[in-house]
Amino acid sequence: EVQLVESGGGLVQPGRSLKLSCAASGFTFSSFPMAWVRQAPKKGLEWVASISSGGGGTYYPDSVKGRFTISRDNAKSTLYLQMDSLRSEDTASYYCARRRTYAGFDYWGQGVMVTVSS
Amino acid sequence: DVVLTQTPVAQPVTLGDQASISCRSSQSLVHSNGNTYLEWYLQKPGQSPQLLIYKVSNRFSGVPDRFIGSGSGSDFTLKISRVEPEDLGVYYCFQATHDPPTFGGGTKLELK
Repeated sequence: EVQLVESGGGLVQPGRSLKLSCAASGFTFSSFPMAWVRQAPKKGLEWVASISSGGGGTYYPDSVKGRFTISRDNAKSTLYLQMDSLRSEDTASYYCARRRTYAGFDYWGQGVMVTVSS
Repeated sequence: DVVLTQTPVAQPVTLGDQASISCRSSQSLVHSNGNTYLEWYLQKPGQSPQLLIYKVSNRFSGVPDRFIGSGSGSDFTLKISRVEPEDLGVYYCFQATHDPPTFGGGTKLELK
């Protein structure tokens, strides 16, 4: 059974950093691109970052480029999101998701909440 | 960035009825390779999103055939025939043709 379990969320002050993790199991992690998608409270979904299966390609929207870094450790089947210079508008639930190349985010984690507030 | 506009924002339905959700793109979603990368997701209350449809009309494994995706270019539709209680929630379209990938604003399917 495919499982994605996020961790590392919490309350953080503006300007500080936080690192999220997503532990994957039930599939060959190194074979799939992965992504992070967030959802601000009572709002819609926003794609945050993607990474290729080998980790050599990373992609971000302008809203987080230069502040967020996606990475992966295929030996540990774990996806990461390093979030620096956090802003109040980064407050959201963060989901990790498995990406089938051009065929959808087929599995999602349960999400982890990040609150940026002083 | 590509803007996906979903209408209606809320769709009141009676169980057993058909529902239809529109997703219009600010530009064509036909990729240079000829494919159209338009997906549909459902987020049930309190749950993570789940994949329903990819490449406009392909149902993901286990998705009932009452979910039908259609459309082309910049105009897409998700039809749900015979709405059941487990179909209630917020539906999102998503495009992966152009960078950055973007989601629509969502359509809430709710009981009348």
